[in-house]
Amino acid sequence: EIVLTQSPGTLSVSPGERATLSCRASQSVSSNNLAWYQRKPGQAPRLVIYGASSRAFGIPDRFSGSGSGTDFTLTISRLEPEDFAVYYCQQYGVSRITFGQGTRLEIK
Amino acid sequence: QVQLVESGGGVVQPEKSLRLSCKASGFPFGSYGIHWVRQSPGKGLQWVAVVWFDGNVKYYADSLKDRFTVSRDNSKNTVYLHINSLRDDDTAVYFCARDPGGVVTLDYYFDFWGPGTLVSVSS
Repeated sequence: EIVLTQSPGTLSVSPGERATLSCRASQSVSSNNLAWYQRKPGQAPRLVIYGASSRAFGIPDRFSGSGSGTDFTLTISRLEPEDFAVYYCQQYGVSRITFGQGTRLEIK
Repeated sequence: QVQLVESGGGVVQPEKSLRLSCKASGFPFGSYGIHWVRQSPGKGLQWVAVVWFDGNVKYYADSLKDRFTVSRDNSKNTVYLHINSLRDDDTAVYFCARDPGGVVTLDYYFDFWGPGTLVSVSS
């Protein structure tokens, strides 16, 4: 199975600044079938990015996804208070779906 | 708006069975696949199973397929996950989530999720 490693484990950033989250795959993710989700305590996870770079419906344009092959990035420019959460990447390029372990984005 | 709400979780003894439900609203339920995903305490997210729009296509995680059964009742806008022979490591929050592929395909990512239901396996 494809192992996804997210870094850093915790990222401390001030509101208004940029956050860059990394997701590295142990082998190439086919067709860039990679998604990012936002998870806040007690809430349903929320799709942020799919297809590595397509924003989900209702996601503000300060969120962007990039990358291909084994290296993917979620960038949040100009952080808003509601953006602080745990973010997970997920690959769906092969039959066995796998997730990264998550990056906690916290207020600095 | 699209809503998914899980229910049926609770404290269950090892070796018992449990059925979880996922009630959907706000979209044409019979046209979408629904997945189950779980998250164990302190562990990551794990995909469990999917049932496609008409209930005839089902897939499971290899390590779970012997004890887990997914089904759906489109007349009730509900998907079910039946778990047999519960084990300690089945303790997790169980989420249902919609696949955006509709009747055309299963995309295997999740555009809407429920808030989850907690299953705790303990004697």
